Amino acid sequence: EPEVTQTPSHQVTQMGQEVILRCVPISNHLYFYWYRQILGQKVEFLVSFYNNEISEKSEIFDDQFSVERPDGSNFTLKIRSTKLEDSAMYFCASWDGGSAGPQHFGDGTRLSIL
Amino acid sequence: RKEVEQDPGPFNVPEGATVAFNCTYSNSASQSFFWYRQDCRKEPKLLMSVYSSGNEDGRFTAQLNRASQYISLLIRDSKLSDSATYLCVVNIGGGNKLVFGAGTILRVKS
Repeated sequence: EPEVTQTPSHQVTQMGQEVILRCVPISNHLYFYWYRQILGQKVEFLVSFYNNEISEKSEIFDDQFSVERPDGSNFTLKIRSTKLEDSAMYFCASWDGGSAGPQHFGDGTRLSIL
Repeated sequence: RKEVEQDPGPFNVPEGATVAFNCTYSNSASQSFFWYRQDCRKEPKLLMSVYSSGNEDGRFTAQLNRASQYISLLIRDSKLSDSATYLCVVNIGGGNKLVFGAGTILRVKS
């Protein structure tokens, strides 16, 4: 079964540094998403991306965040200047655009900010 | 009011038991509904979509009541491997943004 893959599985970064999280969505999917889950809390929507542009973003997704699809396969999330509160699991998801279809999630990147 | 509300549990049940989880959502414009399962520190995995007519997949039955904005999940003949957090998830809007409940913890014991 095709799957969404994410790298790295764990990223440790000093506060204030830039970090890039990478995702390879399922190949025929059209919509791409980033979610995050702070330890012990619920999964929260960050951003959706379609047709090479952001289609929706949450309040969490401020100017420190950006997304990009640099080629036909990768989808990245960049955090420009990390803060302690950015420590979380970050999940990438993709959707084929079919009606009422579920999203498929990658196994996540654990981001730890020191 | 929370967008998606679930009883956090935990539900502690013996193997073989039947257990039911409930969920309510606040946005009447919600279009599609799912139950995901999440194991500790892992990604959410789709358990099943939820349809207006109700649907069943093996030991799992999901129901949707749009009028009451209520979703349920019934697990029959619980197995040890069913132990996980069950996430009620609602799709809002054409872009398929997912809104998650905080999850209900299930512990199945032998």
